[in-house]
Amino acid sequence: QAVVTQEPSLTVSPGGTVTLTCGSSTGPVTSGHYPYWYQQKPGQVPRTLIYDTNNIHSWTPARFSGSLLGGKAALTLAGALPEDEAEYYCLLVQSGALVFGGGTKLTVL
Amino acid sequence: EVQLVESGGGLVQPGGSLRLSCAASGLIFSTHWMDWVRQAPGKGLVWVARIKSDGSNIKYADSVTGRFTISRDNAKNNLYLQMNNLGAEDTAVYYCTVNPGYWGQGTLVTVSS
Repeated sequence: QAVVTQEPSLTVSPGGTVTLTCGSSTGPVTSGHYPYWYQQKPGQVPRTLIYDTNNIHSWTPARFSGSLLGGKAALTLAGALPEDEAEYYCLLVQSGALVFGGGTKLTVL
Repeated sequence: EVQLVESGGGLVQPGGSLRLSCAASGLIFSTHWMDWVRQAPGKGLVWVARIKSDGSNIKYADSVTGRFTISRDNAKNNLYLQMNNLGAEDTAVYYCTVNPGYWGQGTLVTVSS
């Protein structure tokens, strides 16, 4: 199965902007991979932020957005808050199977 | 409101079996693909298996192929995961999920002697 890659860790300043990316070992990520982004805080169930590249849920804070960028899926956080410190996972659909990335630990500092 | 409630987790010996269930409500269950995702303690998320709305299409992760069986009962709005020949590497919280991105609370499976 394909490997999905994410930055292991990133740091953003409060109020700052950061972009997390999600790549595939099989080639460029497209909308056909239906990229998902999840946020997980310690001890909590993962929460879906973005689905199908750039669609948000009713509970997704407006400061989060999804896109395709340079052959990867991207999650942009604009105006980071301390509560955004968490692990972020992307998910791609590849040949009918689902593959998670290894996660990005985002620190707000 | 979509609700997914997993059950059936617990402690099982290596080589043993367990059947997980997921009760779904707040959605037209029979029209949705369903997935199982797991997370080992301190580790990342791993997709396990998925099943099409009518059960006609099933996919598994390589790590569980031949040992796990996903199934569903659309009349009861239930999703299942039969897990056989369990090993320590299967120890994890197992989540039931449905698109676009709803998750259950998870059920813990511990494989240990």
